[in-house]
Amino acid sequence: GNSVTQMEGPVTLSEEAFLTINCTYTATGYPSLFWYVQYPGEGLQLLLKATKADDKGSNKGFEATYRKETTSFHLEKGSVQVSDSAVYFCALGTSYDKVIFGPGTSLSVIP
Amino acid sequence: DAGVIQSPRHEVTEMGQEVTLRCKPISGHDYLFWYRQTMMRGLELLIYFNNNVPIDDSGMPEDRFSAKMPNASFSTLKIQPSEPRDSAVYFCASRLASANTGELFFGEGSRLTVL
Repeated sequence: GNSVTQMEGPVTLSEEAFLTINCTYTATGYPSLFWYVQYPGEGLQLLLKATKADDKGSNKGFEATYRKETTSFHLEKGSVQVSDSAVYFCALGTSYDKVIFGPGTSLSVIP
Repeated sequence: DAGVIQSPRHEVTEMGQEVTLRCKPISGHDYLFWYRQTMMRGLELLIYFNNNVPIDDSGMPEDRFSAKMPNASFSTLKIQPSEPRDSAVYFCASRLASANTGELFFGEGSRLTVL
C-alpha cells in the first residue's frame, strides 16, 4: 500500500544552519509528492510539490527532489530562520483522491 | 479570495454533549475533506466529499461521528455524544477537481476539548 515515512523530530537548529528533513515513501504507480508546513495554531499550507521523477520543487528557499530510485523526497534549506519554526509534513498524492501524510517533523530554530 | 473558513476555532464541551463543527470551502472547489489531528495519531482523514456527495467515510471512527454537505459552500461534522477521546484539532480542506490530488487548502482548524 501507500505510505510515507519521515525522520522523527523534534529537530532543533541554530539560525542560518542547514536543514534536511528526510522523507521516504512506498507507493504503487507514480505518485506526486508534497511538503506541507504547519505554523503554530494554523492549518497546513502547501510548501512545494513535485509531480514526476527528478522534478525539483522549491519555494521560500526550501527545495526537495523527487528521487524514484531511492523513493525519497528530502526537504532541504540552506540557511534556516527563526520564522521557519514549524511542523513539516511530507505527503503523497494517490490516484484515489486521497493524500497520505507522514507523521510530521517539528523544527525549532533558535537565534 | 477567502480561504477555507472553519468555526468555531475553539470548543470546550462536556462529555455527552453534541458538537457541530462547520466548514466553508473555497468557492469553486469540488472536493472537501475532514481531517482530525492528534499527537498520538497524527493527521487522519475522516471523510471526503466530491460535488457535495460523500465518497469515502471509512475514516470516521464511530457512529457517533457524522458529516454532511448540503451545498457546495457548507459542510458540518457532528459528534453526538462527544467523549474525551474526541479531543483533537479538526481540519477542513478543499481542492479543485482539476488540481493535483495533493494540492489541498486547509482551514485553520477547530480545536475541540471534551471534558
